[in-house]
Amino acid sequence: GENVEQHPSTLSVQEGDSAVIKCTYSDSASNYFPWYKQELGKRPQLIIDIRSNVGEKKDQRIAVTLNKTAKHFSLHITETQPEDSAVYFCAAFPYNQGGKLIFGQGTELSVKP
Amino acid sequence: GAVVSQHPSWVICKSGTSVKIECRSLDFQATTMFWYRQFPKQSLMLMATSNEGSKATYEQGVEKDKFLINHASLTLSTLTVTSAHPEDSSFYICSADGGGYTFGSGTRLTVV
Repeated sequence: GENVEQHPSTLSVQEGDSAVIKCTYSDSASNYFPWYKQELGKRPQLIIDIRSNVGEKKDQRIAVTLNKTAKHFSLHITETQPEDSAVYFCAAFPYNQGGKLIFGQGTELSVKP
Repeated sequence: GAVVSQHPSWVICKSGTSVKIECRSLDFQATTMFWYRQFPKQSLMLMATSNEGSKATYEQGVEKDKFLINHASLTLSTLTVTSAHPEDSSFYICSADGGGYTFGSGTRLTVV
């Protein structure tokens, strides 16, 4: 089955700097890759996603890139703000596994003012 | 957008008792719902796939007799933690595909 690896597990940046979180996946059947932000005790919130027919997608300060050949995708946050502090999860959706979404281990991002 | 409602948001129960958690799709029908468990500072681990009108599919290592799942209608799935023990204390969260993966608000279960 699909396996998603996410790095780093923790990331600390200064306000205004950029943050990059990387994920790799194993199953070539995965064709959808969402990123979630989760604040303590709350549900994961979708912040951006990308499908396998696209190499890059941007939404204001957030961007995601996908390299299908290498089976990795990354989240880029520019001009970070303290309210960006949270745990971020990447995920992969293999189209042939009944709709399951497989999550990475998570990255705890801390943005210091 | 699609909304998934989950209740209760938190529950404390005594060891040995059972707890039922409900997950409802409010404005769409969900033939499939997913149940995840999340321990502190860990990722979301898929426990089972809930299928409307049929048996749930459990992930490897998840005890189906302990975590009973019922998906009797297109808008409701329930997870019952039977004979709960302190090690079952966790954050349980459901999700459904309403044109995108939508999560419930989660249930914080504490077994004392």
